[in-house]
Amino acid sequence: GAGVSQSPSNKVTEKGKDVELRCDPISGHTALYWYRQSLGQGLEFLIYFQGNSAPDKSGLPSDRFSAERTGGSVSTLTIQRTQQEDSAVYLCASSFGGAYNEQFFGPGTRLTVL
Amino acid sequence: AQRVTQPEKLLSVFKGAPVELKCNYSYSGSPELFWYVQYSRQRLQLLLRHISRESIKGFTADLNKGETSFHLKKPFAQEEDSAMYYCALKTSYDKVIFGPGTSLSVIP
Repeated sequence: GAGVSQSPSNKVTEKGKDVELRCDPISGHTALYWYRQSLGQGLEFLIYFQGNSAPDKSGLPSDRFSAERTGGSVSTLTIQRTQQEDSAVYLCASSFGGAYNEQFFGPGTRLTVL
Repeated sequence: AQRVTQPEKLLSVFKGAPVELKCNYSYSGSPELFWYVQYSRQRLQLLLRHISRESIKGFTADLNKGETSFHLKKPFAQEEDSAMYYCALKTSYDKVIFGPGTSLSVIP
């Protein structure tokens, strides 16, 4: 069916507020990834899931960031007490994993923290 | 440590000239390398992967384990090649990390 989708496409929030970003992966994809894309920083790895488990959370910038995945499908990335430096495009990708792993990316959520 | 570096943030070449985008990696295990591309106002997408030893849109990349490099090459650049290019490394357990990217501009 459809590719990876993300919502919202744009989010403007005030400093100190919490935000929740959603990712709907391609059906059947076991691996799901979150990245942050900002000017000059490229594509920064945040976290990835195998099924509902997150084997590597090392990329999360601080304890204000958390993510979960339920039912091996939808994932949410939550940022608490947002700061201006959190402003970026947050990308989600999914894949079948294993050999010949090709990631399919969503359109991203552009987060602006005022 | 697992790391991908792309030394050039910006690269400009004239149409018809050869182009090489550099990528180096640091990984103690057996690497799987990829090149992803993002055209203007489009999603990031896979360009090619070393394991397939393929040529896509005239681009090729060879994994050199001795130099820990995976440079992307094309003999004759086209205007439609202008885009952001990311080198990526797949490590254990399907973790994939990306380099900082190189913005390629092909001058008509």
